[in-house]
Amino acid sequence: EAEVAQSPRYKITEKSQAVAFWCDPISGHATLYWYRQILGQGPELLVQFQDESVVDDSQLPKDRFSAERLKGVDSTLKIQPAELGDSAMYLCASSGRGGRRNTEAFFGQGTRLTVV
Amino acid sequence: DQQVKQNSPSLSVQEGRISILNCDYTNSMFDYFLWYKKYPAEGPTFLISISSIKDKNEDGRFTVFLNKSAKHLSLHIVPSQPGDSAVYFCAARTQGGSEKLVFGKGTKLTVNP
Repeated sequence: EAEVAQSPRYKITEKSQAVAFWCDPISGHATLYWYRQILGQGPELLVQFQDESVVDDSQLPKDRFSAERLKGVDSTLKIQPAELGDSAMYLCASSGRGGRRNTEAFFGQGTRLTVV
Repeated sequence: DQQVKQNSPSLSVQEGRISILNCDYTNSMFDYFLWYKKYPAEGPTFLISISSIKDKNEDGRFTVFLNKSAKHLSLHIVPSQPGDSAVYFCAARTQGGSEKLVFGKGTKLTVNP
């Protein structure tokens, strides 16, 4: 069964360092999402891509976060510099298009980030 | 403001009984609703969904009910099994625009043997 792949699964980084996460969506899925989930909260959208274009990054802290999906396939989310409050689970999801509207989004296993 | 609300942080039921998880929303532009299940240290797994033009959708032990006038939906699990113990998230999608999913805070379900 096709899956969304994310790496690394876990990351510990020091405050003020740079950190990057990688996501490979399900093959053929045009829409890719990066969500952040803080413990006890629901996932919150950081950025959404349609192919290689950003369609929603209204909640992305652009002073320190960046995201790209250069060829419209895999994607990288970067934080520079990391802050203690960035400790969270970072989730990537993808959904299909294929001439009809997106329905459910499929999530990867996430990257658990701890900033110390 | 929270557009999707799950007011019960936790729910505990006995194996074999019914679990009912509730979700309320405020945005009348939502046209599609989904339930996700999440185990610790894993990503959410899609469970079941319902379009705003329907009031019920059933898939095996899982049924989702939608009451548009009350802006309320619920997930019924019958019979509940210990393996159903997880955090359940309600999510909603807005028609048009970016079609992003908005999530509730989740309800932790514990099914006791």
